[in-house]
Amino acid sequence: GQQVMQIPQYQHVQEGEDFTTYCNSSTTLSNIQWYKQRPGGHPVFLIQLVKSGEVKKQKRLTFQFGEAKKNSSLHITATQTTDVGTYFCAGEGGAQKLVFGQGTRLTINP
Amino acid sequence: DAGVIQSPRHEVTEMGQEVTLRCKPISGHNSLFWYRQTMMRGLELLIYFNNNVPIDDSGMPEDRFSAKMPNASFSTLKIQPSEPRDSAVYFCASTTIISGELFFGEGSRLTVL
Repeated sequence: GQQVMQIPQYQHVQEGEDFTTYCNSSTTLSNIQWYKQRPGGHPVFLIQLVKSGEVKKQKRLTFQFGEAKKNSSLHITATQTTDVGTYFCAGEGGAQKLVFGQGTRLTINP
Repeated sequence: DAGVIQSPRHEVTEMGQEVTLRCKPISGHNSLFWYRQTMMRGLELLIYFNNNVPIDDSGMPEDRFSAKMPNASFSTLKIQPSEPRDSAVYFCASTTIISGELFFGEGSRLTVL
């Protein structure tokens, strides 16, 4: 079945440093979504990418969807303590079935 | 809107007992998903419904798990009998078929002793 792999599993940075998490799917995706889960909270939708090679920005966050629609990345510039949490990618292969990656847990040293 | 509402928020039960988790999706959403989250396995899709009809239940672990959606505003996930390995946070999420963006509830944290 469809698998979505995400790396790294953990990332610890100093406040102000950049952060990137990568997502790879075993199959071509119709779209990919990104979610953020704060400690003790629930996943919250960040963005959806649909087009091959698409790049979207949300303030300090940059999201990319690969040309082959099998990989994606999330890059945060100049991290802040409010960025702490686990970031998940979720790939949709078809029929609305969203498969989540394992997530990257980001911790920040102020 | 109140968002997706799940109950109970926490449940502690003993092995062998029946557990029922409840979910009220956002009004107007016609797709509902049940996910389970553990440290070891991450977020696993258990089952999802479109217009109250189960579409894919291939993620349901075994026959001890069952889910129903009798109407557009209510769904249940039942575990009978429960086992310690069922301990996890169970999330319900809803969306519209067009949107695809999932709105998650706060989750139900289940501990089976």
